[in-house]
Amino acid sequence: QVQLVESGGGVVQTGRSLRLSCAASGFTFAVSPMHWVRQAPGKGLEWVAFLSNDGTTDTYADSVKGRFTISRDNSRNTLYLQMNSLGADDTAIYYCARDREDGSFDFWGQGTLVTFSS
Amino acid sequence: SYVLTQPPSVSVAPGKTARITCGGDNIGRKSVHWYQQKPGQAPVQVIYSTTDRPSGISERFSGSNSGNTAALTISRVEAGDEADYYCQVWDSLIYHCFFGGGTKLTVL
Repeated sequence: QVQLVESGGGVVQTGRSLRLSCAASGFTFAVSPMHWVRQAPGKGLEWVAFLSNDGTTDTYADSVKGRFTISRDNSRNTLYLQMNSLGADDTAIYYCARDREDGSFDFWGQGTLVTFSS
Repeated sequence: SYVLTQPPSVSVAPGKTARITCGGDNIGRKSVHWYQQKPGQAPVQVIYSTTDRPSGISERFSGSNSGNTAALTISRVEAGDEADYYCQVWDSLIYHCFFGGGTKLTVL
């Protein structure tokens, strides 16, 4: 069965960096476009970034463009999100999600929490 | 940017029909997707491509889309349907995704 398992979240200080990982299994990762979506505490879903199956096309929400980088290693079935210059507004649960190939998300991980310490 | 507008809350009695709307400029021309999220859980897709149900999703869930309003309809509502629901569209020209603000469905 399809599984997506995020890791790498934690407590960070403003201005620091963090890299999230999403380990995929149960499907052919190399043919699947992927996304990161986040959800701040008590708030709605916010799309963060998209990456094509071959890693050649990446797009970002305006709120993270220039600070976050999405990447993948198809040989390791893993998706990444490098987050730089983090701020309190980036506090959220970060989910990785598989693209159904129509721009919708058919499978989601359980999420990894990123929080801030002053 | 493309704005999707959902009502913050919808309430319905068990056994009745719930309709959750998602408004957007000419949304009828777009493919709309819907997700259910229960407290402490990841979202689950309940409708894709406006009207299609993923495997395992009850036939009580259906979608429609016309003009400036898309809708998710849940028939014969059950207590287990209580959750937050989000609509979503994908702009294939700029490769950007847009979510509605979410609707909390309360089963009375």
